[in-house]
Amino acid sequence: ELKVEQNPLFLSMQEGKNYTIYCNYSTTSDRLYWYRQDPGKSLESLFVLLSNGAVKQEGRLMASLDTKARLSTLHITAAVHDLSATYFCAVDIALEELVFGKGTKLTVNP
Amino acid sequence: NAGVMQNPRHLVRRRGQEARLRCSPMKGHSHVYWYRQLPEEGLKFMVYLQKENIIDESGMPKERFSAEFPKEGPSILRIQQVVRGDSAAYFCASSPRTGGDHSLEQFFGPGTRLTVL
Repeated sequence: ELKVEQNPLFLSMQEGKNYTIYCNYSTTSDRLYWYRQDPGKSLESLFVLLSNGAVKQEGRLMASLDTKARLSTLHITAAVHDLSATYFCAVDIALEELVFGKGTKLTVNP
Repeated sequence: NAGVMQNPRHLVRRRGQEARLRCSPMKGHSHVYWYRQLPEEGLKFMVYLQKENIIDESGMPKERFSAEFPKEGPSILRIQQVVRGDSAAYFCASSPRTGGDHSLEQFFGPGTRLTVL
């Protein structure tokens, strides 16, 4: 059974600081997704990582994938309050279901 | 291009009643997935459907839950005789799966928040 673990689960950081969220998964997969969820809202797709070594950046967020280590990272640069949300990584199984991590609840304080 | 649509957005049911959740995929998408999210948790896969076919229902409880995606109309997730433990947010996602890795990406609807009293 594929397990996806995120850490940390809770992250409180000051505006302007940098931090990294980690996503480890237990079996081979070449497709990993990062989503953002605001309270009471749906999931917004942030990044689709489809191969080993993939790196994508959007604004203050950068995601990378190391399929050999079964690790993805989401790096936050110079955080701002608007980034406060819960971030999920998800790995797909056999081109069908997505298995999600528990999420990292990020709070950016002024 | 309208996104994935779900209705109702909020649903309140008493124990023992039936809950019926609807999902209309994005235009051009013929693959639908249902997920359940408990408070402070990630999403858990329930069922994957293609038009008129259930492809994988390994995440769906064997009793009281059923799903369909008819040739015409939205996909329906039905929960019979609801219990308090069914209270959760239910998300539907769709993908085109027309070929190529990017066609596997799943796009999520706004969710239906079910509350069982």
